[in-house]
Amino acid sequence: GESVGLHLPTLSVQEGDNSIINCAYSNSASDYFIWYKQESGKGPQFIIDIRSNMDKRQGQRVTVLLNKTVKHLSLQIAATQPGDSAVYFCAENWAGANSKLTFGKGITLSVRP
Amino acid sequence: KAGVTQTPRYLIKTRGQQVTLSCSPISGHRSVSWYQQTPGQGLQFLFEYFSETQRNKGNFPGRFSGRQFSNSRSEMNVSTLELGDSALYLCASSLAGQENSPLHFGNGTRLTVT
Repeated sequence: GESVGLHLPTLSVQEGDNSIINCAYSNSASDYFIWYKQESGKGPQFIIDIRSNMDKRQGQRVTVLLNKTVKHLSLQIAATQPGDSAVYFCAENWAGANSKLTFGKGITLSVRP
Repeated sequence: KAGVTQTPRYLIKTRGQQVTLSCSPISGHRSVSWYQQTPGQGLQFLFEYFSETQRNKGNFPGRFSGRQFSNSRSEMNVSTLELGDSALYLCASSLAGQENSPLHFGNGTRLTVT
């Protein structure tokens, strides 16, 4: 798999490989983090979330890792499939802001067959 | 369970006009948030409504307003449209009372201002 920060717009991976998408969040007071996937013509789709009292959370084929020391969040996708091709956003929130999420710029994941 | 529904999907308006966008949240969700998405600025928070009250507001001018009805459905209004208001407007709902819970987004309304 490959890892890339959100300052790079595109990540290209081979079908079947693992993908790692990284995100540096901005607010040290943030205590809730979410990854979204957005396909063309659709709204962002919730993938997985994690609270600041955890450092890892697993879903189906996805894992989110949180490193509060360096304010870093990553999304790992196992056995990447063509259907995973989309733009991925990380978002952060803090308890006082309810639904006021701050989104990263997004990265395009392109899966090669 | 039906997802978040936004209408209309597409709108074309002229500068100076006003527009109203509609959002029906997921059944049982009482919080509705609105976001603007543009290629240059990404996703930006507009405002959030909970129990018919605006609970949070982003950094947008007063031309952007919203409201929520007793059935949790929400509308947002943009008056005196400017070219820069062209964007995808996304509505999201959540169960949120006071705790964070995931936002679930609709597919948006694509607004083009000419």
